[in-house]
Formats: sequence, C-alpha cells, structure tokens
Amino acid sequence: DTGVSQDPRHKITKRGQNVTFRCDPISEHNRLYWYRQTLGQGPEFLTYFQNEAQLEKSRLLSDRFSAERPKGSFSTLEIQRTEQGDSAMYLCASSFFGSDEQFFGPGTRLTVL
Amino acid sequence: AQSVAQPEDQVNVAEGNPLTVKCTYSVSGNPYLFWYVQYPNRGLQFLLKYITGDNLVKGSYGFEAEFNKSQTSFHLKKPSALVSDSALYFCAVSKTGRRALTFGSGTRLQVQP
Repeated sequence: DTGVSQDPRHKITKRGQNVTFRCDPISEHNRLYWYRQTLGQGPEFLTYFQNEAQLEKSRLLSDRFSAERPKGSFSTLEIQRTEQGDSAMYLCASSFFGSDEQFFGPGTRLTVL
Repeated sequence: AQSVAQPEDQVNVAEGNPLTVKCTYSVSGNPYLFWYVQYPNRGLQFLLKYITGDNLVKGSYGFEAEFNKSQTSFHLKKPSALVSDSALYFCAVSKTGRRALTFGSGTRLQVQP
C-alpha cells in the first residue's frame, strides 16, 4: 500500500503521560499536515511541513504539542502531559508540491483516561 | 478567518434519486474549495475541488459540485444516488497562500435501497 500510513492506530494512555505518533507520507510528497478530529466534528488543522521546515502552526497546538519532520520524510507528533481533552483522532495528510489535494492517512485514535 | 458551514447533520435519500449536500463558506480572497468523504474505519478521501474556472466541477464516483460566488456556496450533487454512497461528507476551504484546510462539521448521507 503506497498511501499515507500512521502508527499506532490506537493509543490508550493515562492522564499526564507523554505519547508520540508517527506518520509516513506518500514517498514523493514533500508537504505533510497534522489535523485533529473529535467526535462529531470535522478535522482541525494543527501544523504543516514543507520538507523539514514547519511553516505553519495553529493556535490549537499548545506548548504541550510538538511536531517534527527531521529528514523531510516521516513526521512525529508528541503530546506531553496528556489531558483528557486531548482524546481525539489525530490525522496526517500529505501532498505534492504544486498540488492542492491532500491525501489522508487512517488516523491515530488517542484515548486519555 | 475562514469557516465552513454544513447546515444538515444528515441527509436521507432513496437510491436512484438525486442528492444534494449543502456547504457554505466564508473566506477573505479567492477560495479553494474541496469535498472529502469518510467511510467507517477509513481515512478521508478526496472527491473534488474548485480552484478557478468553470463553476461546475466534476469529481470521483459521479459526484459534482457547483461553486456559487454570490451565495458563497459549494453544494455537492449527484444525479442518481447509490447505497454505497452512504458515508460522512466534509466540505473544506482554504485560500491562496495557505495550505491549511478548514473543514465543516460534516454531513452524514444515508441512501436507502
């Protein structure tokens, strides 16, 4: 499968723990996006990379959230000191430079107890 | 700020009948408009987009959408619904110079046999 992949697909953690999610974009795509989707809502933009540069961050991305894309390929999203309000589906998407179409992965569902 | 409204939480239509899923948007400048579909346990899939040009845009699986600048709308349509079209549909907007998509809250389409 050559689509966007995310790992893990599900994560259950206790409040206060740190979690890290990984996204592998489609190989030739140099743009990578993170979104968060809560139940009954559409995805909300978190951050965007072009190659390894983080070009835009939403105000939703608090100090507890950090994203990296060190070699311009895969990306990680870390949440420190998780809170119950962080429970959501975290979606990754990628696109090719010059294209407006974003291809989405299956998401990582986070549950914070 | 940019925003999207999908006024219907659910749309019910009989198989073979035409369907419309409504979307209105608010953005400064020229909008980039998108429709995505989400099936259970699967990632968001791109259906179609409007960037510029013809107001009637054709996309995947027989769907089309009509851009109406005066009404700031981008309704999704299909001449003849299939049971397999039943899914969650999201409208999204961005604009020139921004990569982040702003999504609506989604409309669940239920096609009855």
